Amino acid sequence: AQKITQTQPGMFVQEKEAVTLDCTYDTSDQSYGLFWYKQPSSGEMIFLIYQGSYDEQNATEGRYSLNFQKARKSANLVISASQLGDSAMYFCAMREDLMFSAGGTSYGKLTFGQGTILTVHP
Amino acid sequence: DGGITQSPKYLFRKEGQNVTLSCEQNLNHDAMYWYRQDPGQGLRLIYYSQIVNDFQKGDIAEGYSVSREKKESFPLTVTSAQKNPTAFYLCASSIYQGRSRNYGYTFGSGTRLTVV
Repeated sequence: AQKITQTQPGMFVQEKEAVTLDCTYDTSDQSYGLFWYKQPSSGEMIFLIYQGSYDEQNATEGRYSLNFQKARKSANLVISASQLGDSAMYFCAMREDLMFSAGGTSYGKLTFGQGTILTVHP
Repeated sequence: DGGITQSPKYLFRKEGQNVTLSCEQNLNHDAMYWYRQDPGQGLRLIYYSQIVNDFQKGDIAEGYSVSREKKESFPLTVTSAQKNPTAFYLCASSIYQGRSRNYGYTFGSGTRLTVV
């Protein structure tokens, strides 16, 4: 069974500073995807970044980067140059994938961690 | 624009009543999911469906029921057997198979259910 662990219930960062949100995962699968979502107080889930288990390069999307250490089973989110609007709950999630020999992938369900509340101070 | 619509946004239920939460998508996604979120907590999977007329239990299915008669719709019924239904409910959809592995979920805006 999949398990996602986010050990930081809350994090504080000064505006314009960088912050790292931790995520570790446990799976016996070879093929999987790792995701980070942002949830503001409105409740919507905003996709931030994706990392595939076979991707050799760390994923980056604007101010977001994913520090993927496969051997340690960690997928930490780094937010550079924090902004006040970054204050929200952040979730790490993992999806099992089934890759077909003919190409293509069947996508499994997403399993979420407990989340980290990030507060950006001015 | 394509997306997922959840209704209502807020729902109040008396104890002992069944209520149904609506989830509709026009993204032509095969798979749909229901998650429950308690305050300050992560999302837990209730039910999911990867094809019409078929669905599977998630981690916390007791006290809930679903149907998938149409590809676009995946309603969730919270039955009186669910002892603590007050929570935020999120519906999501995704494609089921593809050639790009970078394919996450699209989420609805959620329904806040309160038992009164």
